[in-house]
Amino acid sequence: DVKVTQSSRYLVKRTGEKVFLECVQDMDHENMFWYRQDPGLGLRLIYFSYDVKMKEKGDIPEGYSVSREKKERFSLILESASTNQTSMYLCASSFLRDGGELFFGEGSRLTVL
Amino acid sequence: AQSVTQLDSHVSVSEGTPVLLRCNYSSSYSPSLFWYVQHPNKGLQLLLKYTSAATLVKGINGFEAEFKKSETSFHLTKPSAHMSDAAEYFCVVSDPSGSARQLTFGSGTQLTVLP
Repeated sequence: DVKVTQSSRYLVKRTGEKVFLECVQDMDHENMFWYRQDPGLGLRLIYFSYDVKMKEKGDIPEGYSVSREKKERFSLILESASTNQTSMYLCASSFLRDGGELFFGEGSRLTVL
Repeated sequence: AQSVTQLDSHVSVSEGTPVLLRCNYSSSYSPSLFWYVQHPNKGLQLLLKYTSAATLVKGINGFEAEFKKSETSFHLTKPSAHMSDAAEYFCVVSDPSGSARQLTFGSGTQLTVLP
């Protein structure tokens, strides 16, 4: 069974802390994504990677960075967490040419106090 | 530019009655369209997809959707709702390049199924 694993389901951090969200997929997918999900806003793309060490900004990259050192792992980094980054973060992956067929992790709910 | 509008933020049906979740899209191209489902505290799962083949698309769990170009719609239906269908549903549009970067998600429709 295909799997996208987000290591932290729930996190509580303080303003100004550095936050790492990890995502691992076991399907040998080229594409990996980080989305943010907020009520009434659907999913918004933060960053996207189509290969190791390659990344592209999504619609809302401000305040975030990413790292993809290995094909199976895609990390989202909040350098200095702020309260407006309290949200659900979803990682997804797909094959290079399967534009819309994404496989999602179960999400990481981050609360910044 | 492309966009997608889910016309209802909440839909409530009784178990055993039909489900209709409405989605309209806007695209400069002939788009690909998708429906995803998200159960509580879970990630999203693909229900079905339209990629310019048959306009009536069948998905998992008895759901289907019809692509209507003249109405720019891609409504999701199911003949008989089950309690396990209670979830949030997202309509998604993609440009025809197939680029994973070019996905636009609707704001979601929360489906409640009453016993």
